Amino acid sequence: GAVVSQHPSWVICKSGTSVKIECRSLDFQATTMFWYRQFPKQSLMLMATSNEGSKATYEQGVEKDKFLINHASLTLSTLTVTSAHPEDSSFYICSAEDRFRALHFGNGTRLTVT
Amino acid sequence: RKEVEQDPGPFNVPEGATVAFNCTYSNSASQSFFWYRQDCRKEPKLLMSVYSSGNEDGRFTAQLNRASQYISLLIRDSKLSDSATYLCVVNTGGGADGLTFGKGTHLIIQP
Repeated sequence: GAVVSQHPSWVICKSGTSVKIECRSLDFQATTMFWYRQFPKQSLMLMATSNEGSKATYEQGVEKDKFLINHASLTLSTLTVTSAHPEDSSFYICSAEDRFRALHFGNGTRLTVT
Repeated sequence: RKEVEQDPGPFNVPEGATVAFNCTYSNSASQSFFWYRQDCRKEPKLLMSVYSSGNEDGRFTAQLNRASQYISLLIRDSKLSDSATYLCVVNTGGGADGLTFGKGTHLIIQP
């Protein structure tokens, strides 16, 4: 089946540093990938839609200068949390859409900013 | 009214019992529906798509009621391993960017 690899799975960083999260579709090409964040006991919240070769589309309330998204190839999208602060601590999950429009999720990245 | 609503639970159910929960959606133009399962601190995994005619996969049955705008998930002969959060996902658009997630229903199967 389709596999999406996301890493790192867990990261702790100091306030003010930047963290890059990678999302790779391993055995299929994904024109579109999605980034979500999930707070404890909350549902997934879509942050942005990442399109290969073009700018990402951000949801309302998501700062595009803080959450930089790059989708340079059909198998890789990256999310960079710039100048992370404790309130950015969350569970970040990516998903990739295959040609049948099914979604395949990465295993998530737990970010803790101290 | 929220776009996708689920009873958060938790539902505490004895092992072997049958349990069912619903998810209501507000947009009548919604086109596709899914149930995802999410274990604690893990990513969601697709459990099953929900078709208009209803569909069954082993112990799991999903149904769609367009008139009343809800989908349901029924689990028969529940196992301890069924303990998880079940997310209802509704697609209101043509692409995956139209997906709306419910907050999930927390199910606990007790021995």
